[in-house]
Amino acid sequence: KQEVTQIPAALSVPEGENLVLNCSFTDSAIYNLQWFRQDPGKGLTSLLLIQSSQREQTSGRLNASLDKSSGRSTLYIAASQPGDSATYLCAVNRGKLTFGKGITLSVRP
Amino acid sequence: EPEVTQTPSHQVTQMGQEVILRCVPISNHLYFYWYRQILGQKVEFLVSFYNNEISEKSEIFDDQFSVERPDGSNFTLKIRSTKLEDSAMYFCASNGVNVANVLTFGAGSRLTVL
Repeated sequence: KQEVTQIPAALSVPEGENLVLNCSFTDSAIYNLQWFRQDPGKGLTSLLLIQSSQREQTSGRLNASLDKSSGRSTLYIAASQPGDSATYLCAVNRGKLTFGKGITLSVRP
Repeated sequence: EPEVTQTPSHQVTQMGQEVILRCVPISNHLYFYWYRQILGQKVEFLVSFYNNEISEKSEIFDDQFSVERPDGSNFTLKIRSTKLEDSAMYFCASNGVNVANVLTFGAGSRLTVL
């Protein structure tokens, strides 16, 4: 059974800092991995999707990498801003998504 | 940009009542899903639906739950007799021609069972 882990559960950083959010998964037989943002009480906003054959994807200040063989993905956020404060979820896809519990990020002005 | 639409955004119901949550997926999508998120917990898969039938369901999706695509556009989740523990945010998602495509999620329907 696929398990997705995100550690730590919460992170607080000062504005401007570059940061890395980690995600690990137990079964490397995946189609792709998706990173989502969730604001409190709100829905899921897709940030980046990495197919299993890809190593990384970039969108603006966000860069996501995937190492399928070791079961790891990272989401890199450059020059963090208070507006980046949210919960970041990773999910692996093998016909259905299996989610991690998320990392709640707080960026202090 | 095409989006997945869910109604209602919030529903409050009494325990034992039937609830229907509605979703309008993106029009040319073929795969449809329901997920739920109990407050403070992980987003969990409930069911996937393709070609007018359930393709996979989780152990959460017991006989109290059913899904339907009654008219080719709406995709509904019915909970026959709600329990307190059904209180959660329910997300609908859809996917294009391939399960490896990106899933697009709706904004969610918050269900509160009293």
